[in-house]
Amino acid sequence: NAGVTQTPKFQVLKTGQSMTLQCAQDMNHEYMSWYRQDPGMGLRLIHYSVGAGITDQGEVPNGYNVSRSTTEDFPLRLLSAAPSQTSVYFCASSSAMGSGANVLTFGAGSRLTVL
Amino acid sequence: GQNIDQPTEMTATEGAIVQINCTYQTSGFNGLFWYQQHAGEAPTFLSYNVLDGLEEKGRFSSFLSRSKGYSYLLLKELQMKDSASYLCAAVDSNYQLIWGAGTKLIIKP
Repeated sequence: NAGVTQTPKFQVLKTGQSMTLQCAQDMNHEYMSWYRQDPGMGLRLIHYSVGAGITDQGEVPNGYNVSRSTTEDFPLRLLSAAPSQTSVYFCASSSAMGSGANVLTFGAGSRLTVL
Repeated sequence: GQNIDQPTEMTATEGAIVQINCTYQTSGFNGLFWYQQHAGEAPTFLSYNVLDGLEEKGRFSSFLSRSKGYSYLLLKELQMKDSASYLCAAVDSNYQLIWGAGTKLIIKP
């Protein structure tokens, strides 16, 4: 099993450019999410999905869009990149939400720099 | 508001024992996670506690006190490979994770 696969691993953008971070999981997990990780701060939830066709906003959704057309894929779109979006992005999935023991499996991360 | 506090950095010696503390304030509580994150890598699951007490898993143990809003991760017989950040995360009433900023553990020979 590949687990959670994120691409690209590294990306440099100019302000105003758009891009999509890809995330795919092969564990048949219903719950998928995107986090950003910045120095000195905890992981912050951007968007999440509890199943195909369902998405919801997390703590820091502004500037990001998501869609969930299949169980496996959960891409994150930056429509007009800003320097404040420079960060490391993690996609994570789990078998269910609504359970305390909701162990997340993380992708390897995507390091994005916006100039 | 919701908040997780843990020390920013700790240093310990190879072969020793270290305790990493975490205090939390959340709207409701449905358990507490510890994850390990090596530099440049993804977080990986270490433990989950929802009941008071100590849970042991090999060299790692995790403790929870719900009445005090407090948890700790205990690492025994420290090895150089234990150098990493340790992330504490509490589950709130909506089953959302509230993450601490992480504790960077430095192991010295």
